[in-house]
Amino acid sequence: GIQVEQSPPDLILQEGANSTLRCNFSDSVNNLQWFHQNPWGQLINLFYIPSGTKQNGRLSATTVATERYSLLYISSSQTTDSGVYFCAAANDYKLSFGAGTTVTVRA
Amino acid sequence: GAGVSQTPSNKVTEKGKYVELRCDPISGHTALYWYRQSLGQGPEFLIYFQGTGAADDSGLPNDRFFAVRPEGSVSTLKIQRTERGDSAVYLCASSLSDRRGEQFFGPGTRLTVL
Repeated sequence: GIQVEQSPPDLILQEGANSTLRCNFSDSVNNLQWFHQNPWGQLINLFYIPSGTKQNGRLSATTVATERYSLLYISSSQTTDSGVYFCAAANDYKLSFGAGTTVTVRA
Repeated sequence: GAGVSQTPSNKVTEKGKYVELRCDPISGHTALYWYRQSLGQGPEFLIYFQGTGAADDSGLPNDRFFAVRPEGSVSTLKIQRTERGDSAVYLCASSLSDRRGEQFFGPGTRLTVL
């Protein structure tokens, strides 16, 4: 399967700060998703982005498929942004997940 | 509309017992997936259904694990002779189609084997 690496593993932010999370993957993909796992364990879909750039409110994502990486941008962070962010990639139907980035936003 | 639902939300069982975990996918989604998430890790693929048949069960850890989807909608993951190492959160996902579909996850079933 595809190998997925996320960085950094942990991120501590002050409320209002901006940040970038990175996801590297080992092969070409037909599916690339970003998730936020809330404290109750639910995986919330943020972006379905096998290529290109998308924006949703304070969040945006870019995938450069030819260079095998994706970036998730959080702008003007809020305490509710805290949690674990996962990147997952597939070149068929099996999503391979990274180890996640744990984001802590302090008030 | 309704998302993916899973029952029970929590299951505590004793070593050696049999358990069933249920997944109800989003209406109209033909592809269904089971993943397992251990503490501090990302989810790992277990099995994929397209319609009623298991198209890929290569992620099932051993023959104690089995899953069915008899009518192409609800799926049940069955674990025989549970072991303490089976303790994890079992996640179900569904997508509109298979190879290029965005996957949507349920809330998971937290299984604890004592």
